[in-house]
Amino acid sequence: AQSVTQLGSHVSVSEGALVLLRCNYSSSVPPYLFWYVQYPNQGLQLLLKYTTGATLVKGINGFEAEFKKSETSFHLTKPSAHMSDAAEYFCAVTKYGNKLVFGAGTILRVKS
Amino acid sequence: DAGVIQSPRHEVTEMGQEVTLRCKPISGHDYLFWYRQTMMRGLELLIYFNNNVPIDDSGMPEDRFSAKMPNASFSTLKIQPSEPRDSAVYFCASSLYNEQFFGPGTRLTVL
Repeated sequence: AQSVTQLGSHVSVSEGALVLLRCNYSSSVPPYLFWYVQYPNQGLQLLLKYTTGATLVKGINGFEAEFKKSETSFHLTKPSAHMSDAAEYFCAVTKYGNKLVFGAGTILRVKS
Repeated sequence: DAGVIQSPRHEVTEMGQEVTLRCKPISGHDYLFWYRQTMMRGLELLIYFNNNVPIDDSGMPEDRFSAKMPNASFSTLKIQPSEPRDSAVYFCASSLYNEQFFGPGTRLTVL
């Protein structure tokens, strides 16, 4: 069975600092991997996805993630945090592109 | 494109009442998903459809919950009778390939 572990339910960074949100997955076959963002009182919005090809994936709002098969990881990064990045972030995995398995989420706080 | 549309956005009801949540997926998408989000349990997949056919309803908590998709442009999630523990935000999402698009959610409060 597939599963996703997000390390750290809350992450706090200063504005301008590096953002690193960790995601590890388990899957018996090469997975599709996703990062979603949820702003307060809104639905989830896709940040980026990995399906095949290049392992470094760039998404919206300056975020990127790298698929590392040997580490079964798909960590999300952004070089410089902005106040508007404060939100909850979800990592998700699927085997066949349909049913997503979500991590528990990481709330990102950005301090001024 | 209008995106995934859900109605109502907020619903407050009393225990024992029937609640119906509605979803209009993005035109052309062939998968539709219903999720529930709570602080305690996070984001849970309740049921999903492919081409209007229910594929996996293993996440539906109990018989009080039912979902239908009579056509490609409409789905409902019904709770009858509702209980306070059903209070949550319910999301609908649709997809064509491997990217799910989420609606804004319905915040349900059962008193």
